[in-house]
Amino acid sequence: DARVTQTPRHKVTEMGQEVTMRCQPILGHNTVFWYRQTMMQGLELLAYFRNRAPLDDSGMPKDRFSAEMPDATLATLKIQPSEPRDSAVYFCASGLGMGSTGELFFGEGSRLTVL
Amino acid sequence: QKEVEQDPGPLSVPEGAIVSLNCTYSNSAFQYFMWYRQYSRKGPELLMYTYSSGNKEDGRFTAQVDKSSKYISLFIRDSQPSDSATYLCAMSLNTGFQKLVFGTGTRLLVSP
Repeated sequence: DARVTQTPRHKVTEMGQEVTMRCQPILGHNTVFWYRQTMMQGLELLAYFRNRAPLDDSGMPKDRFSAEMPDATLATLKIQPSEPRDSAVYFCASGLGMGSTGELFFGEGSRLTVL
Repeated sequence: QKEVEQDPGPLSVPEGAIVSLNCTYSNSAFQYFMWYRQYSRKGPELLMYTYSSGNKEDGRFTAQVDKSSKYISLFIRDSQPSDSATYLCAMSLNTGFQKLVFGTGTRLLVSP
């Protein structure tokens, strides 16, 4: 059963702490996306990778957020230091890229609360 | 102004009703249009996918794109309580690019 796996599912932390979220994309998918979802803004694209190379991180606050893909089976999103306004659900999604229907497969999300 | 606008709802209908969900967008370069369905505390899942203008039907669901008006719709016939979810429209410049821009989602509640 191929699926995108995200950890942790829930995280409560205090302002100023470092938060790391991890994502295992579907095996064989070469594009990986990080989205943030809030009630007010909906789904916002933070960053995405193709073949592990970062293509666009313009949606990410550069001073505190960083995204990496150390290998084809792991993508990470780090927030340091975290702030209450970072509270949201963070989704990882993967896809097949060129030549496919363009469908993105989403994980179940990491729900972050920063106190 | 957001690039994609969608009424957040909630939209409450009785079982069996026809539901119409809509999005407007500002970027005329969008070519691919999708509807994702998101159940509570789950990730979005692709429901319908259309290219350019026209209609596409899949069972009880019909997706409609009017590029001249920059307006897309999703119709659900014979709505069921299991259709209760948030429906997000999404669009992209081209399929291989996969950089999707999402609407904020419309929450649909279908009561038995």
